[in-house]
Amino acid sequence: AQTVTQSQPEMSVQEAETVTLSCTYDTSESDYYLFWYKQPPSRQMILVIRQEAYKQQNATENRFSVNFQKAAKSFSLKISDSQLGDAAMYFCAYRAGGGADGLTFGKGTHLIIQP
Amino acid sequence: EAGVAQSPRYKIIEKRQSVAFWCNPISGHATLYWYQQILGQGPKLLIQFQNNGVVDDSQLPKDRFSAERLKGVDSTLKIQPAKLEDSAVYLCASRPSWGLLGEQYFGPGTRLTVT
Repeated sequence: AQTVTQSQPEMSVQEAETVTLSCTYDTSESDYYLFWYKQPPSRQMILVIRQEAYKQQNATENRFSVNFQKAAKSFSLKISDSQLGDAAMYFCAYRAGGGADGLTFGKGTHLIIQP
Repeated sequence: EAGVAQSPRYKIIEKRQSVAFWCNPISGHATLYWYQQILGQGPKLLIQFQNNGVVDDSQLPKDRFSAERLKGVDSTLKIQPAKLEDSAVYLCASRPSWGLLGEQYFGPGTRLTVT
């Protein structure tokens, strides 16, 4: 079974600074996808960024980028120029490439933005 | 485009009572998921539907939980009888069937409290 581990229960960063959230995963599959989701206090899960395992190039979405290390099974999220609106729970998630493609989530990292 | 709708938003019941949650996915989305999110944890997949067929229900506690998606559109998740440990947020998500990276769109969730 796949597992996703987020070892940082909480992270704090000053507004406008850069922060990196860690995620490791375990799988025996070769075809899979990785995601970072944001969950504000309103509870609505919002996709932040995604990465296909077969792509070597790291995904980037505006201020959000990932460092995908396939051999190490590591998938960290970097948030640049942190803004107050980035404060939320961040979840790392794994999805297999096949038909049964429900997400496996980590426990989450609570990101605090200090003004 | 309307998002994933869920009702009710909040529900409080006593243990051993029954409860049902409703989800209406985004129009045209063939795949529907139910997740359980216990406080302080990431969501856990309960069941995945493709149209009105079950793709994965390996983590659904079938002795008390049931789910259906009779016409391949909206879905109902039922708990009977409820236990204290069922207190959680129940999230519904949907995605279109086309494209390997079909993003899962989440609803606002139903917060269940079992007393």
